[in-house]
Amino acid sequence: DAGITQSPRHKVTETGTPVTLRCHQTENHRYMYWYRQDPGHGLRLIHYSYGVKDTDKGEVSDGYSVSRSKTEDFLLTLESATSSQTSVYFCASRPLAGVNEQFFGPGTRLTVL
Amino acid sequence: AQSVTQLGSHVSVSEGALVLLRCNYSSSVPPYLFWYVQYPNQGLQLLLKYTTGATLVKGINGFEAEFKKSETSFHLTKPSAHMSDAAEYFCAVSDGAGNMLTFGGGTRLMVKP
Repeated sequence: DAGITQSPRHKVTETGTPVTLRCHQTENHRYMYWYRQDPGHGLRLIHYSYGVKDTDKGEVSDGYSVSRSKTEDFLLTLESATSSQTSVYFCASRPLAGVNEQFFGPGTRLTVL
Repeated sequence: AQSVTQLGSHVSVSEGALVLLRCNYSSSVPPYLFWYVQYPNQGLQLLLKYTTGATLVKGINGFEAEFKKSETSFHLTKPSAHMSDAAEYFCAVSDGAGNMLTFGGGTRLMVKP
């Protein structure tokens, strides 16, 4: 399995506070992704990155921003958390070519009170 | 645009019985198709994938899926369920380059003793 870690694994915060989730991969993968998982919706793409400093929006990007200053790190920021952003967040990565599937991290459970 | 529909958010089978999880997709380009499994409190793990070639794809843990273009389906099967198969299963479709995945809503498989 690809070495993908996420931190923190669990976080409880209050409405209106900023939150940053970190994804770290040791596989030198070109692409990285942030998803949120909610019951009945499967996983929905928030943002993705196709290289250092190259990012783009996904299906549910409102209220989220991302940054990628190094190949191995992809940060997801909630500038002002809302209760609707309570979810489980997954990071994934994949190499540039030759392998189609994405490799997933263990997830971060975020609760916004 | 791509989409995935998984029929049945919950499926219950007896141990030793056939497992059939249904997935239908829509895609404007020849699809790459995936099945992922998620065990409780874990990330997603690839079960199997279809890219090109043989339409019957074998994966890990005795699972297989058949790509049927005429039916736009990619159903997942296993001849004999085991208690350890209890998990949530996600079908996903990607574009031809494999960069973006669209997930179905997931099917939770329960296995009764």
